[in-house]
Amino acid sequence: TQLLEQSPQFLSIQEGENLTVYCNSSSVFSSLQWYRQEPGEGPVLLVTVVTGGEVKKLKRLTFQFGDARKDSSLHITAAQPGDTGLYLCAGARGAGSYQLTFGKGTKLSVIP
Amino acid sequence: GAVVSQHPSRVICKSGTSVKIECRSLDFQATTMFWYRQFPKQSLMLMATSNEGSKATYEQGVEKDKFLINHASLTLSTLTVTSAHPEDSSFYICSASRGEQYFGPGTRLTVT
Repeated sequence: TQLLEQSPQFLSIQEGENLTVYCNSSSVFSSLQWYRQEPGEGPVLLVTVVTGGEVKKLKRLTFQFGDARKDSSLHITAAQPGDTGLYLCAGARGAGSYQLTFGKGTKLSVIP
Repeated sequence: GAVVSQHPSRVICKSGTSVKIECRSLDFQATTMFWYRQFPKQSLMLMATSNEGSKATYEQGVEKDKFLINHASLTLSTLTVTSAHPEDSSFYICSASRGEQYFGPGTRLTVT
């Protein structure tokens, strides 16, 4: 079973602070996706990382895929209240496979 | 874009009845769709993989006779919860695959 461990599980910070969310596994993933979900809604895809060592930036969000493709991180700079939500990482099980294994999520609260 | 819709968004039904949830990819064709279940404050749990024109593949522990999946076209998959019980109350989310998975807004099922 390929498991994804996400940490921290909960994070409450002040507006303007920086934060990092981690997603770790002992297994290799062909790709890894990050989603953001708000209460009562479906997850929204933020980014997909495919290559080991890859770094992608989306405004104040920076995503990194580990060199061995077993882990990933999401760094948010100068967090805003609008960043509040559940952040989920999900790994694809194999090349050509569309199935995803989800981490348990990080519940982020940004306090104004 | 990659828009996925779900209908209904909320449904309340009595114990013992059946409920059908529709998942549609609005602007792309998806040979593969996925059905997930999410309990409060938890991550997404994959229930089954729905393939157009063939039988769905169910995850371990998911009763295929209780959760009927039909993927009749490249833009529509349905999940029918048969003989619903209060413990089936949950947030059901579908996704459609176009390489990456794009999620619907979810359906809140409450069984009384």
